[in-house]
Amino acid sequence: GAVVSQHPSRVICKSGTSVKIECRSLDFQATTMFWYRQFPKQSLMLMATSNEGSKATYEQGVEKDKFLINHASLTLSTLTVTSAHPEDSSFYICSASGRNNQPQHFGDGTRLSIL
Amino acid sequence: DQQVKQNSPSLSVQEGRISILNCDYTNSMFDYFLWYKKYPAEGPTFLISISSIKDKNEDGRFTVFLNKSAKHLSLHIVPSQPGDSAVYFCAARRIQGAQKLVFGQGTRLTINP
Repeated sequence: GAVVSQHPSRVICKSGTSVKIECRSLDFQATTMFWYRQFPKQSLMLMATSNEGSKATYEQGVEKDKFLINHASLTLSTLTVTSAHPEDSSFYICSASGRNNQPQHFGDGTRLSIL
Repeated sequence: DQQVKQNSPSLSVQEGRISILNCDYTNSMFDYFLWYKKYPAEGPTFLISISSIKDKNEDGRFTVFLNKSAKHLSLHIVPSQPGDSAVYFCAARRIQGAQKLVFGQGTRLTINP
């Protein structure tokens, strides 16, 4: 089946650091990639949708200057959490979708802990 | 506004019996529904989907039922196996237009030996 690789799986860093998370589709071309955030015992909340070669579309309440998304190719999207603070600590998950009606396939997530 | 709701946060089922997970939605524009399974510290894994033109879709031990008039879907797992223990999320979207999914809160399924 479709494979989406997300790296790193865990990050622990100091407040003020910027953290980059990569999401790669390994065996298909991802025309659209999604970034989610999940708080403990809660659902996945969509942060933004990105299409290859265009600007990401952010959901209401998500700061685009804080969560920078780049989707430079059909197999790679990155999320950069800029100047991270403890409240940004969360589980971030990416997903990728190929043709319009294909299910999204998810990476294994990144546990971000800001001290 | 929770457009997709899973009202049972947890469910325990004996191995070999049927597991039934329920999901309700409020947005009548949704026409494509999916179930994902999630283990701790991993991303969700796609299980099965159904479009609004159908009322049932079956794949091995997994069957999804859709009742459009009630805006309700359910996932049946039979027979349940210990490896099925996980958190199950239902999700909904529109087939046309933006592909973004709206997820329910998840139901933690525990299969007891």
